[in-house]
Amino acid sequence: LAKTTQPISMDSYEGQEVNITCSHNNIATNDYITWYQQFPSQGPRFIIQGYKTKVTNEVASLFIPADRKSSTLSLPRVSLSDTAVYYCLVGETGANNLFFGTGTRLTVIP
Amino acid sequence: GAVVSQHPSRVICKSGTSVKIECRSLDFQATTMFWYRQFPKQSLMLMATSNEGSKATYEQGVEKDKFLINHASLTLSTLTVTSAHPEDSSFYICSAARGGSYNEQFFGPGTRLTVL
Repeated sequence: LAKTTQPISMDSYEGQEVNITCSHNNIATNDYITWYQQFPSQGPRFIIQGYKTKVTNEVASLFIPADRKSSTLSLPRVSLSDTAVYYCLVGETGANNLFFGTGTRLTVIP
Repeated sequence: GAVVSQHPSRVICKSGTSVKIECRSLDFQATTMFWYRQFPKQSLMLMATSNEGSKATYEQGVEKDKFLINHASLTLSTLTVTSAHPEDSSFYICSAARGGSYNEQFFGPGTRLTVL
């Protein structure tokens, strides 16, 4: 499983765009990049998944450069309720086990 | 969307007793389910992979005789913590994979276990 590296924590003011970058230098050809969000005492919630280039859904955007050795989760106009831990995972998901790294603790400030 | 439930959400037990935690996929069949443990301020750590109808695969360092996993159907997996001790107190989370062309896992809400 490819190891991921993320910033331990980030702070942002409400209404700003937040970009969280994840490094995964050893990503394999069949690996997808998936981001999860976790609130305290809750299970992780799927945010977005991508393989290459850019993916956008109603919650976030995921930018993946051509070499796929990193990815950036972009949260537009964050609110206080976006305060959570965000995990970047790399691997063949679905029926395969996931490795959770340290995650990034995002704190949104009023 | 795919929903995974866990029961109970919170349990407190005495040291030495056994506790069973259920994980159910409510609107899909899960060929594979996973059990994670999460200590305060730490990340999720995979304990075992559970496949319907077969024995679970445990991660290194996880005692299979202490953490019994049963995946009796495509919608239910159970984790039994046998002879629980205070150090087993943790947040236990399961996830389920739909398999096929789906490429994501869905997580349950977690179970907070406190062993006195």
